[in-house]
Amino acid sequence: KAGVTQTPRYLIKTRGQQVTLSCSPISGHRSVSWYQQTPGQGLQFLFEYFSETQRNKGNFPGRFSGRQFSNSRSEMNVSTLELGDSALYLCASSLGRGSSYEQYFGPGTRLTVT
Amino acid sequence: AQSVSQHNHHVILSEAASLELGCNYSYGGTVNLFWYVQYPGQHLQLLLKYFSGDPLVKGIKGFEAEFIKSKFSFNLRKPSVQWSDTAEYFCAVGTNAGKSTFGDGTTLTVKP
Repeated sequence: KAGVTQTPRYLIKTRGQQVTLSCSPISGHRSVSWYQQTPGQGLQFLFEYFSETQRNKGNFPGRFSGRQFSNSRSEMNVSTLELGDSALYLCASSLGRGSSYEQYFGPGTRLTVT
Repeated sequence: AQSVSQHNHHVILSEAASLELGCNYSYGGTVNLFWYVQYPGQHLQLLLKYFSGDPLVKGIKGFEAEFIKSKFSFNLRKPSVQWSDTAEYFCAVGTNAGKSTFGDGTTLTVKP
């Protein structure tokens, strides 16, 4: 079974631009969560989608948004990029929502904002 | 809101030494507890998990963790580390409402 895939793997943007990251979950998984990983801050939860609906949201500004499609694929968008948005963005999928289900992580998208 | 605290940011051990990584959480309700590992250049992957039952859980590669409810702790242990255990380790707490909270991570370096 193919794992979680994320595209692109690397991205360089300038301040003020916007970016869209994509995540394809494991086949059959309906829940997708997004995390921001930075050195020393660990993984910060962004949001969780299940059945095309955002079910949980972390403490990030409204510049961070996402959506999920009917095939469970998910996209994350960051508008008006800031230098502090430079991070590894991880996507995780699971069979169902809630932490009772094991999360499977993708390789991440490394975003660099200059 | 739940929070997770990992006591050590960086641990350096020699091969065959014993390992214990601390993890404490705060949350008033029922939690699911996890340890994840990220080997250099690899994806984050599940090491072990606790949902209910026996508070001593065993995971992959000889790791185990003990849930002590009274101390809100879920410490990770391994009796004898190997060089290949060099990685970053994350403790995480989840609720049935869906949100998972991760600790800041502990980098383990094992010297051969």
